[in-house]
Amino acid sequence: DAGVIQSPRHEVTEMGQEVTLRCKPISGHDYLFWYRQTMMRGLELLIYFNNNVPIDDSGMPEDRFSAKMPNASFSTLKIQPSEPRDSAVYFCASSQWRDYNEQFFGPGTRLTVL
Amino acid sequence: SQELEQSPQSLIVQEGKNLTINCTSSKTLYGLYWYKQKYGEGLIFLMMLQKGGEEKSHEKITAKLDEKKQQSSLHITASQPSHAGIYLCGAANAGGTSYGKLTFGQGTILTVHP
Repeated sequence: DAGVIQSPRHEVTEMGQEVTLRCKPISGHDYLFWYRQTMMRGLELLIYFNNNVPIDDSGMPEDRFSAKMPNASFSTLKIQPSEPRDSAVYFCASSQWRDYNEQFFGPGTRLTVL
Repeated sequence: SQELEQSPQSLIVQEGKNLTINCTSSKTLYGLYWYKQKYGEGLIFLMMLQKGGEEKSHEKITAKLDEKKQQSSLHITASQPSHAGIYLCGAANAGGTSYGKLTFGQGTILTVHP
């Protein structure tokens, strides 16, 4: 298996623009997670899905952020409009439904908002 | 919410030296995960501990969970430059609506000088 795939790997955009990050989880995994990593706040969970249904979005910073999972093999995280404070590395991870199973992380998308 | 504190925040050692990284939780740990991250890459799963007193080893890395399940340590024996990176501990919630959710510590940056 290719592992979790994220695109793009790097994104540079200007403040106010819409940004869409994409993730393809490992085939057969029931859970999908979106994280954000910054120097100041570390690794934070934004939202996660189980069987394509959002379970917990309490980590989504504000209404500018939205996430969807239209099917088992694809998810998007959208920021609209983007702000400089959104600059971070965004990770997608997936796992199988099993008690306390490990999460497999993608390589991340480094977002820079100017 | 569960909070994890890692110590030290950073560590510089000479190749061949042993080292220990600690992870302390404000609540009982139901599952404790150790991940390693190299700069610009995603997180790689190392080990997961669940039972009080449990100890696991992989190559030169050993992780332990104390009997009270509120503290874990990661020990590296005879460190090598390949061990360099950021080590993060992550805690699983007990279940309910937050099943599968992980909360991470701030990470420990390890540098190994040859």
